[in-house]
Amino acid sequence: SAVISQKPSRDICQRGTSLTIQCQVDSQVTMMFWYRQQPGQSLTLIATANQGSEATYESGFVIDKFPISRPNLTFSTLTVSNMSPEDSSIYLCSVEAQDTQYFGPGTRLTVL
Amino acid sequence: GQQLNQSPQSMFIQEGEDVSMNCTSSSIFNTWLWYKQDPGEGPVLLIALYKAGELTSNGRLTAQFGITRKDSFLNISASIPSDVGIYFCAGQLRGSSNTGKLIFGQGTTLQVKP
Repeated sequence: SAVISQKPSRDICQRGTSLTIQCQVDSQVTMMFWYRQQPGQSLTLIATANQGSEATYESGFVIDKFPISRPNLTFSTLTVSNMSPEDSSIYLCSVEAQDTQYFGPGTRLTVL
Repeated sequence: GQQLNQSPQSMFIQEGEDVSMNCTSSSIFNTWLWYKQDPGEGPVLLIALYKAGELTSNGRLTAQFGITRKDSFLNISASIPSDVGIYFCAGQLRGSSNTGKLIFGQGTTLQVKP
């Protein structure tokens, strides 16, 4: 399996500000993913982050709102830009390893 | 977005009872995954299924990949209090036009009464 860490684990932010979430994995992986889990809901894929290319966004998610970086094979960041209360969610990164996906502990974001 | 149909939505059972939950989809998948999520944590992988008809166990957990590739079930035998949590199924489709992203069910919330 892969060991994944995320920073910060939680944050409370003011509307209109931006927050960058970091994801670190303990081994080199080709594919990393960012998911959103709204309160009481299931997980929804935001984008796929591949090293050396632009992230691929799912329908309903755009780069201006959720810019992603993938500078190497063990690290990625997701920025939630110009936040509003509707962005309050858990943001999770995951990685593809041994033909399956493993998740980080998540970042719990509250926007006031 | 696209979701799997997962049922039941919630279960409240007595310790020692067996539990069964399932997921169905209108689309085929070539991988089914089952995860458990505890409060404040990320989903933890329980079982991965890669072939239609495959039946796999992990301790008290058993899961099967449906023959049609459109469904999967998870059974938990002799439940214990630490089984409490939210269980998610996820389907994955790999191919030239798919990045291997996961499509999640809505989750089954399990509560166990000691």
